[in-house]
Amino acid sequence: DAGITQSPRHKVTETGTPVTLRCHQTENHRYMYWYRQDPGHGLRLIHYSYGVKDTDKGEVSDGYSVSRSKTEDFLLTLESATSSQTSVYFCAISESRQQNQPQHFGDGTRLSIL
Amino acid sequence: AQKITQTQPGMFVQEKEAVTLDCTYDTSDPSYGLFWYKQPSSGEMIFLIYQGSYDQQNATEGRYSLNFQKARKSANLVISASQLGDSAMYFCAMRGPPGANSKLTFGKGITLSVRP
Repeated sequence: DAGITQSPRHKVTETGTPVTLRCHQTENHRYMYWYRQDPGHGLRLIHYSYGVKDTDKGEVSDGYSVSRSKTEDFLLTLESATSSQTSVYFCAISESRQQNQPQHFGDGTRLSIL
Repeated sequence: AQKITQTQPGMFVQEKEAVTLDCTYDTSDPSYGLFWYKQPSSGEMIFLIYQGSYDQQNATEGRYSLNFQKARKSANLVISASQLGDSAMYFCAMRGPPGANSKLTFGKGITLSVRP
């Protein structure tokens, strides 16, 4: 199994609070991704990183920011959480951008915002 | 833009029988990759199988095979000899050429239940 650890695995918080999710990898892969999974939507890309300090937006990036100060860590921050951000969040890593490279996923973080 | 369509309702199959999970896709890129992932009730996403757009042969991986029909833009997953542990949600996904983010575009998934 790819060495990907997401923390926390579960979190319940209140609307308006900041939340940071962490993805840690031991594979030394360059590319890292944050997705959210919601019923009826599959997985949708929030942000991605193509190297240390190199990040960009995905299709559902509003309300989220990311940082990557080290190859192994990719942080997702909800600056002021809203109930619409209740979701399951997955981190993924990939060795390259080639289309034959699968992305490997962490176990997910279940986030509930009350 | 890339799009993946999975429209089957929940699927049921008898243990030891084969089952086909449908996936159609749309893209204007000539070069792309197609993937299937399994998500059991425990929640993790497990990579199953890959098919490249230029591959001449259908991909196989153990009990999984991919019925790739390029002209129809379909990439159906075939699971042979179903097992109880195959009960899960299955996602079809596409990855385009190495571009800005080469993200995976996912379908909405299909739930498979294997009956003993």
